[in-house]
Amino acid sequence: QVQLVESGGGVVQPGRSLRLSCAASGFTFSSYDIHWVRQAPGKGLEWVAVIWFDGSKSNYADSVKGRFTISRDNSKNTVYLQMNTLRGEDTAVYHCATETSGWPDYWGQGTLVTVSS
Amino acid sequence: EIVLTQSPTTLSLSPGERATLSCRASQSVGNYLAWYQQKPGQAPRLLIYDTSNRATGIPARFSGSGSGTDFTLTISSLEPEDFAVYYCHQRRNWPLTFGGGTKLEIK
Repeated sequence: QVQLVESGGGVVQPGRSLRLSCAASGFTFSSYDIHWVRQAPGKGLEWVAVIWFDGSKSNYADSVKGRFTISRDNSKNTVYLQMNTLRGEDTAVYHCATETSGWPDYWGQGTLVTVSS
Repeated sequence: EIVLTQSPTTLSLSPGERATLSCRASQSVGNYLAWYQQKPGQAPRLLIYDTSNRATGIPARFSGSGSGTDFTLTISSLEPEDFAVYYCHQRRNWPLTFGGGTKLEIK
């Protein structure tokens, strides 16, 4: 079955960097785009970034553009989110999701990132 | 950026009742709108995509309608497991955006 497992979250100081990973299994990973979506504690969903199935293109939310970079390694069935110059408002659970139907339809349980001094 | 405004923020209903949730876009999204359900501690679940198509395994009591800027998610007869938070989501324009959510609670 389709499975997405995020890792790499933790507590980090403002201004520092963190890299999240999303390991996928149970589907043809190299055929589908992958999204990152985050949710601040007690808040709603915020779309963060997407990378095309072949890694040729990506798009970002304005709030992270220039600070976050999404990438993928199709040989490892893994997507990454490199987060630089972290801010307090980046504190959230970060989910990765694939879109086998054209919409994010399979989601991981998420990894918590806390930006705090 | 397309802003999605959901209403009401909270909806209090009883099992068996009909729920009507609204999502309004700041500009047309065509039919590129989806609905998600999220329960506490869980990842979101896709319910409806392209305005009115039910995702795999979603019961027929869930339906979506609308076009352009005004969309509706209807749950025809609420089951206990339907009480959750619902989000709309557009993919018409970059950046993709979600609505702020409607919490459906038991009355």
